[in-house]
Amino acid sequence: GQNIDQPTEMTATEGAIVQINCTYQTSGFNGLFWYQQHAGEAPTFLSYNVLDGLEEKGRFSSFLSRSKGYSYLLLKELQMKDSASYLCAVRDSTSGTYKYIFGTGTRLKVLA
Amino acid sequence: DGGITQSPKYLFRKEGQNVTLSCEQNLNHDAMYWYRQDPGQGLRLIYYSQIVNDFQKGDIAEGYSVSREKKESFPLTVTSAQKNPTAFYLCASMAGAGDEQYFGPGTRLTVT
Repeated sequence: GQNIDQPTEMTATEGAIVQINCTYQTSGFNGLFWYQQHAGEAPTFLSYNVLDGLEEKGRFSSFLSRSKGYSYLLLKELQMKDSASYLCAVRDSTSGTYKYIFGTGTRLKVLA
Repeated sequence: DGGITQSPKYLFRKEGQNVTLSCEQNLNHDAMYWYRQDPGQGLRLIYYSQIVNDFQKGDIAEGYSVSREKKESFPLTVTSAQKNPTAFYLCASMAGAGDEQYFGPGTRLTVT
């Protein structure tokens, strides 16, 4: 089957570093995506991994291990505006089409 | 400006009525997707379409219908058969393999 797990909620302090983990199970893995979603708004794209390793984009980095079915999103120098939900999504191509499976999201609270 | 539009932002309907949610994109993307999001939940796939005149059921298609007569447009009809239609509905599009999804601003549907 297909399943994605990520923590429901995390809290961190402004200026700190936080790591949000995501584990997944899927038969037709075709990439892992991280999105940021502020309350009541649409998700916005943060990062994409299809090969193992670390992708860095400014204050955000994402890591993937396909053999372990594991990814994490690392946020550095946390700012108050980073308070949001972070969605892990796996793209599956089992059916010959591209289908996205989303986790339930991790709600991050950044405290002053 | 290129992007995805969804209208209206808020929609209210009485139980037993069908309602159609609009999704238009001018990004020239082939693939389009409809998701539903409930409070504190991740995104669940309703329907998706890889090309014009073709679409596939997602994980929660019951009570919904779609059409894809034009590349730019992918309207979603919430029928009276959908048991719990009140939710935040998000439309997304994707250019092709290796690309991320772009989301519209969403429509919040309330059925009473």
